[in-house]
This record gives sequence, C-alpha cells and structure tokens, in this order.
Amino acid sequence: GQNIDQPTEMTATEGAIVQINCTYQTSGFNGLFWYQQHAGEAPTFLSYNVLDGLEEKGRFSSFLSRSKGYSYLLLKELQMKDSASYLCAVRDGDYKLSFGAGTTVTVRA
Amino acid sequence: DGGITQSPKYLFRKEGQNVTLSCEQNLNHDAMYWYRQDPGQGLRLIYYSQIVNDFQKGDIAEGYSVSREKKESFPLTVTSAQKNPTAFYLCASIPGGHVGELFFGEGSRLTVL
Repeated sequence: GQNIDQPTEMTATEGAIVQINCTYQTSGFNGLFWYQQHAGEAPTFLSYNVLDGLEEKGRFSSFLSRSKGYSYLLLKELQMKDSASYLCAVRDGDYKLSFGAGTTVTVRA
Repeated sequence: DGGITQSPKYLFRKEGQNVTLSCEQNLNHDAMYWYRQDPGQGLRLIYYSQIVNDFQKGDIAEGYSVSREKKESFPLTVTSAQKNPTAFYLCASIPGGHVGELFFGEGSRLTVL
C-alpha cells in the first residue's frame, strides 16, 4: 500500500513564505500532485512532478526527490486567499492515486 | 467545454437504500477515480479504473460498487452494506501515461437520514 505523510496544520503571516513537506512510500512511482482545496469545494490543481527537481508556477513551486520519497510545496508572498487545505497525492506503479490527509494552512494578517 | 460532470450534487437517502452517483467525462481520459472525503479529512480512494471493463479496489471499497462499461462513464453505487455513507464524494479522471493534472468533478454530497 501507500503511505503519504504531511503536517496537519501550518500558520503563517501574510506576505511570508510557507513550505509544506510531503513524504511517501509507494510500490513504484508515476507522479506526485499538489492540490489546493477550500472547504466544501473540489480540489484545484497546483502542480505535478514526475522527475526530480523544482517546478515553478507563479507564487507556487513544487520540488521532488524520488530517491528520498520527498516533495515540498512552496507558497511565496502569502495572501489571505491562500488559507486552505493543501493535498499531496502520489500515483504508484499500478496507477493507484492516493492522497495524504492534507495540510491546513492559515494565513494571518 | 470539456470536463467532468457529477450528479446529483446533493442526495438524501434513507438507511437501507442503495444509491448510485453518476460521473461522466468528455475529456477522453483513460483513467477514472472515486474518492470519499469526510469533514476535515483528506481524500480516501474507493475504486479506480484504468481502462474500460476493468477496475480495482482502493483503500475503502467495502460497501461500494462500480462499473466501467464506457470510457466516459464511471458510476459509483453506495450500497446498504456501507455502514457510514454520509460524506462528500469526488470523481476524477486523468489521461493515460505520464501526464499531469487529475481533473475533478464538483462532487456529490450524500446524506443518510
């Protein structure tokens, strides 16, 4: 089976940077995803990593190290609207796609 | 526009009744997934399908059933055997191979009375 771990909660100040870590153990690997989810809504796609390294997309960046089973999502220049749950998901060798429990980020003024 | 359509958006069911949630996609995606989300928790995988006429159990398949008779459709039946079915259900799809973005439907919220 899969084991995906991420912190439960993080708090940061508006304008700051927050890094959300995700570690995983899977049988095979076919990509890692980051999603943002506001309460009561469907998740919104943020990033996808299948090769090692950093993917940058505006204020959001995601990093992957397959050998370490590790990824992080970096949120820069935090805004109040970034308060949400951030979900790490991994697709294994059988294309089973599982999610971590999510990290709730609270942005304070 | 292409996308995933889930219906109904809200559903109420009496205990002991089966209910089927619809998921249709016109993205020509090969793989489809069903997830369940309880308040304040992450998404848990119920069933997934990589190709037509084939599907696999996820982590919490007990009390659920699916079919994949057509590429664009992946309905989920919540049976009376599911002991705590009240939850938010999300359907998703993704192209085959090593390509990104898992597309989600808007979700179906099931409440058992």
